[in-house]
Amino acid sequence: EPEVTQTPSHQVTQMGQEVILRCVPISNHLYFYWYRQILGQKVEFLVSFYNNEISEKSEIFDDQFSVERPDGSNFTLKIRSTKLEDSAMYFCASQAGLNEKLFFGSGTQLSVL
Amino acid sequence: AQTVTQSQPEMSVQEAETVTLSCTYDTSESDYYLFWYKQPPSRQMILVIRQEAYKQQNATENRFSVNFQKAAKSFSLKISDSQLGDAAMYFCAYRSAFRNNDMRFGAGTRLTVKP
Repeated sequence: EPEVTQTPSHQVTQMGQEVILRCVPISNHLYFYWYRQILGQKVEFLVSFYNNEISEKSEIFDDQFSVERPDGSNFTLKIRSTKLEDSAMYFCASQAGLNEKLFFGSGTQLSVL
Repeated sequence: AQTVTQSQPEMSVQEAETVTLSCTYDTSESDYYLFWYKQPPSRQMILVIRQEAYKQQNATENRFSVNFQKAAKSFSLKISDSQLGDAAMYFCAYRSAFRNNDMRFGAGTRLTVKP
């Protein structure tokens, strides 16, 4: 089965630093998402991306966050100035079409010290 | 706003037995999708089963089946012949058919399988 690939699997950073989390969605997919899960809590929607623009974002996705699809394969989440509370597992997901199956990556564990 | 509630923080089952995980949701929408995701210790999100609200027939995937009660807004997961590898966190999730971008998850149920 095709896979969504996320790198790195674990990222450690200092508070205030910028981080970029990388995702390679499945090649023929058109819809892309970022979710996060703080340890012990539920998975939360951050942002969705389609046709090279953000289609929806949650209240969590403030000005410190941005997403980009710089080429035909990568989909990145950037946090400009990390805070302690940004520590979480970040999941990328992709989808071939609306109402198709959503495929999740294996996640990047971000630890902000 | 749509909410998803899993009232069982933890459940346990004996190997080879059957267990049912509960999920209720709140929505005013007429068409939507419901999901159960499994999250093992690796924390990867694995789709277990999916139900389309307009389908009356309950979805099944091998040992996994759901009891979808649309009027009651209930969506429980039944795991038959439980295996040690079924031990994980299980999340119920809701997604609107009209607003595809936002999937809402429940708080999860931790399932332990006893040998």
